[in-house]
Order: sequence, then C-alpha cells, then structure tokens
Amino acid sequence: DAKTTQPPSMDCAEGRAANLPCNHSTISGNEYVYWYRQIHSQGPQYIIHGLKNNETNEMASLIITEDRKSSTLILPHATLRDTAVYYCIVRVAYDKIIFGKGTRLHILP
Amino acid sequence: DAGVIQSPRHEVTEMGQEVTLRCKPISGHDYLFWYRQTMMRGLELLIYFNNNVPIDDSGMPEDRFSAKMPNASFSTLKIQPSEPRDSAVYFCASRWTSGSNEQFFGPGTRLTVL
Repeated sequence: DAKTTQPPSMDCAEGRAANLPCNHSTISGNEYVYWYRQIHSQGPQYIIHGLKNNETNEMASLIITEDRKSSTLILPHATLRDTAVYYCIVRVAYDKIIFGKGTRLHILP
Repeated sequence: DAGVIQSPRHEVTEMGQEVTLRCKPISGHDYLFWYRQTMMRGLELLIYFNNNVPIDDSGMPEDRFSAKMPNASFSTLKIQPSEPRDSAVYFCASRWTSGSNEQFFGPGTRLTVL
C-alpha cells in the first residue's frame, strides 16, 4: 500500500466544515483512497472512498486532486459527534487495510 | 441487521491462561478480519479469511496466537498462553466481495492480561 501522511490532530468549530487533508504522493493508478473514522471506544467506521473523481455521500465529501497525490475529506457541518480519529488509507480494491496513525479531530462547542 | 458480533466484550485473565475471542460476521460476508489495537502500535491487522480459508496471517505476532473459521458464521482468535503484553482491544471485521468493499467492524473485545 502507498503511504499516507496526515496531521496528527485538528480542531474545528461545531457547525463549521471540517477539512481533513491527506497526502499520498506515491499512490499507484489502481489504488483507491479510503477514509474511515474511529469514535472513542468503538470499532472503525467506513466513511467514503474514491479513485479519481470527487465523491459525496450522506456523511462526507472526498476531494481528490487531479494528480491524485493528495485528497481532502470534508465534513460539511461538523457536530460534537464527529469527534474521532480519521484514517486516510490508500489501497488496491479488495486488498487488506493498513491503518496509519490518522488525524484526531476535535470538534469545539 | 445485527452487525458484527464479538464476545466477550471484556476479558480479564491472568498470565499463562488461555483466552478465546469470538466473532460472528455479518451474514453473507465472505471476508473476515482480526485486528488488534494498542496505544503504542495502533490498529494492526492480524489475520484475514476469505470463504473460511486463512489468506494472510503475516500479522499474527507469535505462535501463541491462532485463529480459526470453522464456518461462514463463526471465527475464533485464541491466545495460549496469554501474556500481559497481549492486553489490547481486539476487533473483528467483515465484508463481502462485491459492493463498495467497505469493512464493517464489531464493537471489539477489551482484553486485560494481569
């Protein structure tokens, strides 16, 4: 799997958009970008994934740069319940997930 | 849907004892994964199965660890003998081949070895 680089922690005010960056400069053409999050004391939860195009679902949006070397996960209206560790993972489809250290997101009231 | 079910949720045992963790994947899922999480090492993949067959056990730390999947609805992770450094939260996850390829995680088993 390609390595990813994420900031160790970020703060975001409640109600604002949370933008979480991820660098994956060595990504291969057949590797997807996946995002998971882990709320305290729970198992990780899938958020979204994409290959080249931007993606949106009910939880978040994923913006992938044209050269695919970086991406941003956007939580449009962050709430206190979004406080969690967010993992950016790059992998070939159907391959195993290797979790890094992720970004600890604090939502401030 | 019940989701991935793990038991027990908490286990406290003494060094040297055998520990068995259990997992019931989501019905219809053909992949099952075992992870371990500690503060020092984060989330580590231990082993995964496809159609009940172990595919990659390179993450299993030692011979003291073993995992089985006797059928599509049940898997066990066994530690014998247990050691204090095995204390961690152990997660089970499952997914199916088609679809978005997302893994669904269970609530975890918190193991404490004294």
